Amino acid sequence: GIQVEQSPPDLILQEGANSTLRCNFSDSVNNLQWFHQNPWGQLINLFYIPSGTKQNGRLSATTVATERYSLLYISSSQTTDSGVYFCAVDLMNYGGSQGNLIFGKGTKLSVKP
Amino acid sequence: GAGVSQTPSNKVTEKGKYVELRCDPISGHTALYWYRQSLGQGPEFLIYFQGTGAADDSGLPNDRFFAVRPEGSVSTLKIQRTERGDSAVYLCASSPQRRTEAFFGQGTRLTVV
Repeated sequence: GIQVEQSPPDLILQEGANSTLRCNFSDSVNNLQWFHQNPWGQLINLFYIPSGTKQNGRLSATTVATERYSLLYISSSQTTDSGVYFCAVDLMNYGGSQGNLIFGKGTKLSVKP
Repeated sequence: GAGVSQTPSNKVTEKGKYVELRCDPISGHTALYWYRQSLGQGPEFLIYFQGTGAADDSGLPNDRFFAVRPEGSVSTLKIQRTERGDSAVYLCASSPQRRTEAFFGQGTRLTVV
């Protein structure tokens, strides 16, 4: 079955708007990370957040481990926020996992000026 | 360097040829992972090294793929008898130890023609 599911798959925003991206996962996690993949393909670390809430500037993230989901909030979006946002998890009971991350399919965000 | 470094950035090769992709992890990181990303998809796990040994190679698609990390630092992913289906972006990640925050390189885009 699907291990990591992200929604929405695509999102178009006007500059200045706020948005929430969601990540559902199928089991308890050791690790959960949010990444932004820029147009050049680089995966940029946003949050390392297996549980709780963190904030970094206009971005914040919350993981509710007991309910198996994480949310990424983007406030006052800018054109430079465009790209693909990935949630990736290290599932606690996934076969012989040694900490390898399982990625969702991503949310493609386009911020229009 | 400060981050994970991968070389080359781009590689075009002919079907049937042998290629080597290099990853230089963050200094001091003992865990090293290789992933492969196809167009429109999230990265998928290939192999994990803890120190010099391949602790988990369950993601390698077949025996044409092999990776080494002889001194516990730099790693090389080797692909024999390349096929057009091997075309993808190959990403390397490192973390201080397994099951801690992972940091990714910029990837090598492999095109098999």
